Amino acid sequence: DAGVTQSPTHLIKTRGQQVTLRCSPKSGHDTVSWYQQALGQGPQFIFQYYEEEERQRGNFPDRFSGHQFPNYSSELNVNALLLGDSALYLCASNSRGPRGGDKNIQYFGAGTRLSVL
Amino acid sequence: DQQVKQNSPSLSVQEGRISILNCDYTNSMFDYFLWYKKYPAEGPTFLISISSIKDKNEDGRFTVFLNKSAKHLSLHIVPSQPGDSAVYFCAASRYQGGSEKLVFGKGTKLTVNP
Repeated sequence: DAGVTQSPTHLIKTRGQQVTLRCSPKSGHDTVSWYQQALGQGPQFIFQYYEEEERQRGNFPDRFSGHQFPNYSSELNVNALLLGDSALYLCASNSRGPRGGDKNIQYFGAGTRLSVL
Repeated sequence: DQQVKQNSPSLSVQEGRISILNCDYTNSMFDYFLWYKKYPAEGPTFLISISSIKDKNEDGRFTVFLNKSAKHLSLHIVPSQPGDSAVYFCAASRYQGGSEKLVFGKGTKLTVNP
């Protein structure tokens, strides 16, 4: 049973460029959330997708956008990259269900390390 | 505004002893709490969770305690093993009709010495 997979693992971009990160959820999961983890910090919630719609959004600018496909996979797009966007980007998936149930828990991928120069 | 706080950046314990990791939160609307473990170059791995209607949840060597009045939770690992060395994140959420975001602390780096 494949877990959450993310690609690419590492990425180097320059300021002003655009980037797309990809995520495939764990089998059986239909909800994808994206988090940004800066160095020395905990993950911060960017947004969540369910049924191909953005359901909830954290405190991130519109430069951060996303998409969910019919097969539940998801993309995170960041436009006009800034140096401060350098971070580990984590994707998590879960399934709608009772609190505390196995599927309701968010499971994380290994992340994409983005460096903006 | 840090809603979930892990005030100890690091903790070092001897193998076989108890590890106690602490977490405080400020938002009284949080009703579900989780602990994740993270090794370098890997994503966070779910460890254990607790609902606000409980004050204790146990899973093998891991026990989480919740003190709602103090807005404090702790993770106990007994006995600690060298393989437990990792960064531990406390996370909280509140029910929002199925769309729940996790709010994380900054993490505590646990080192278990052989």
